Amino acid sequence: DIQMTQSPSTLSASVGGRVTITCRASQSVSSWLAWYQQKPGKAPKLLIYQASILESGVPSRFSGSGSGTEFTLTISSLQPDDSATYFCQEYNSYLLHTFGQGTKLEIK
Amino acid sequence: DVQLVQSGAEANKPGESLKISCKGSGYNFDTYWIAWLRQMPGKGLEWVGVIYPRDSDTTYSPSFEGLVTISADRSSNTAHLRLGALKASDTAIYYCARLNAGGSSHIDYWGQGTLVTVSS
Repeated sequence: DIQMTQSPSTLSASVGGRVTITCRASQSVSSWLAWYQQKPGKAPKLLIYQASILESGVPSRFSGSGSGTEFTLTISSLQPDDSATYFCQEYNSYLLHTFGQGTKLEIK
Repeated sequence: DVQLVQSGAEANKPGESLKISCKGSGYNFDTYWIAWLRQMPGKGLEWVGVIYPRDSDTTYSPSFEGLVTISADRSSNTAHLRLGALKASDTAIYYCARLNAGGSSHIDYWGQGTLVTVSS
């Protein structure tokens, strides 16, 4: 089974700042990686798929990069509304996908 | 618009079983994989399993094999997740979600989640 490890687990940043979240896979997932944002009491929302493709309607402040086993999600010009937990997900494994444990972002 | 609407919150006792539902609309329900995921309180997302409604082809995560049953009713565009012999550790939010295209694709739409509480 593929293991997905996110870092850091928690993160605090200021409005207008920039953060980077890392996701590492235990084996190559090529570019088959997505990022989701989840706010308390809500379902996750797709931000980025195929490692770097921005989902329609998602602000361009969000960007993704990487391939193989190491990926990053970068959020620039942080807004208060960006406070959330962010999950990566590999979907290279057919019909059995794995999520990272999540990164909780607090905006000060 | 694509929507996945799940059934309401459940409160059950240990040993009972329950079935939660996920109704799809706004797209061809038959031809997109539906996944079920579990999120225990304060925790991350776990893959339960998936179903292809057109032929009910189903795959379960090894962690959930034998503990849950996923089914689909094409006539009502509804997927179901049956949880048997409930334990307190089954307390969680269960989400259904649509895979964008094929079995190796990202999730593009999510249901709103169904809270399941198991307590004596």
